Amino acid sequence: GAGVSQTPSNKVTEKGKYVELRCDPISGHTALYWYRQSLGQGPEFLIYFQGTGAADDSGLPNDRFFAVRPEGSVSTLKIQRTERGDSAVYLCASSASGRVTDTQYFGPGTRLTVL
Amino acid sequence: DQQVKQNSPSLSVQEGRISILNCDYTNSMFDYFLWYKKYPAEGPTFLISISSIKDKNEDGRFTVFLNKSAKHLSLHIVPSQPGDSAVYFCAASEASYGKLTFGQGTILTVHP
Repeated sequence: GAGVSQTPSNKVTEKGKYVELRCDPISGHTALYWYRQSLGQGPEFLIYFQGTGAADDSGLPNDRFFAVRPEGSVSTLKIQRTERGDSAVYLCASSASGRVTDTQYFGPGTRLTVL
Repeated sequence: DQQVKQNSPSLSVQEGRISILNCDYTNSMFDYFLWYKKYPAEGPTFLISISSIKDKNEDGRFTVFLNKSAKHLSLHIVPSQPGDSAVYFCAASEASYGKLTFGQGTILTVHP
């Protein structure tokens, strides 16, 4: 079956612009996570959705970052007024029910470069 | 502060030998630990996990050991194969859901 997909695979933008990153989770998975991986670091938790609701958004760095999952499947991570420090690989993962023991399946990521 | 640390950026091993990857953590509330493997241009892939009520978990060539008193876990791969060459991340959680804190990763290279 299809895994987690993310689009675009690469995004180059200019400082101050708005970007949207999309995640298509595995069908039927109720839990969806966003992580950010900076160069030389491990993934860093951003936000967790259970169904349509953001159950934990404690990892979002500031109010320029926002994510939605309106129908409980596809999610979009939105970044306003991008800064050079936002450059990173943005990873999405989904799991069946959200329990910590459920395997998280990661997508290939979107590489965001802010010039 | 880095709550999960992998102090070895890289490890090189001969095919057939044992690979030992190490991970230390500082948060005593962590109670579930995982190892992920990552190939270039792909997302991390789950390898093996361990709950804090255990000190060892084995799955084929992979064994994870947990030493709670030392706040240390390790991943043993025996025997190592060239296809094991990848970046390995340890991760930990203190939540009932999958909010993971990752280490920086260790690049494993297995030479034929």
